[in-house]
Amino acid sequence: GESVGLHLPTLSVQEGDNSIINCAYSNSASDYFIWYKQESGKGPQFIIDIRSNMDKRQGQRVTVLLNKTVKHLSLQIAATQPGDSAVYFCAETPRSDKLIFGTGTRLQVFP
Amino acid sequence: ETGVTQSPTHLIKTRGQQVTLRCSSQSGHNTVSWYQQALGQGPQFIFQYYREEENGRGNFPPRFSGLQFPNYSSELNVNALELDDSALYLCASGGDRGETQYFGPGTRLLVL
Repeated sequence: GESVGLHLPTLSVQEGDNSIINCAYSNSASDYFIWYKQESGKGPQFIIDIRSNMDKRQGQRVTVLLNKTVKHLSLQIAATQPGDSAVYFCAETPRSDKLIFGTGTRLQVFP
Repeated sequence: ETGVTQSPTHLIKTRGQQVTLRCSSQSGHNTVSWYQQALGQGPQFIFQYYREEENGRGNFPPRFSGLQFPNYSSELNVNALELDDSALYLCASGGDRGETQYFGPGTRLLVL
């Protein structure tokens, strides 16, 4: 089935620390994954993606890890900043037409 | 900025009415998808259009329909509005493979 989140888990981190946001995806046929950041009142913003033939991909201050064995994704944010505060969603693509979004995690950064 | 725009930003309708939401995709993107995002939840896939043809549909009733035009604009139409249709409606555009989807800011619809 598709993931629907009624209660957003929250991760609180201190400015400058590293953040790790986890996501369990549902469909073993998914071969493409994306992390999105959504700030209040805005649409989801693309952060980083990874294909199923990789297990790690790095961007600017962000790293995505993929473990296909346990259907798990994580997003690591280095040196977290106040501007990183948002809700983060992982999304999987079991077929090319649709994204299935995870529950979402709220990241709060405090000084 | 993604280059994807949506209008209007906010809209209030009453139950039973019809609504049309609009999206302008990034130039060169032949795929547009629409999502519904209820408060506190992740976006839910409504449907996707590729080169003006419906290319896939989620679990939404037929009163949700769409159109895509050659000028990279598209519409989401919802008939016979229900209270539960109150949500943020997002469009996302992508290239030919359709996988990397870039979202617009959304239209917040309130049905009273």
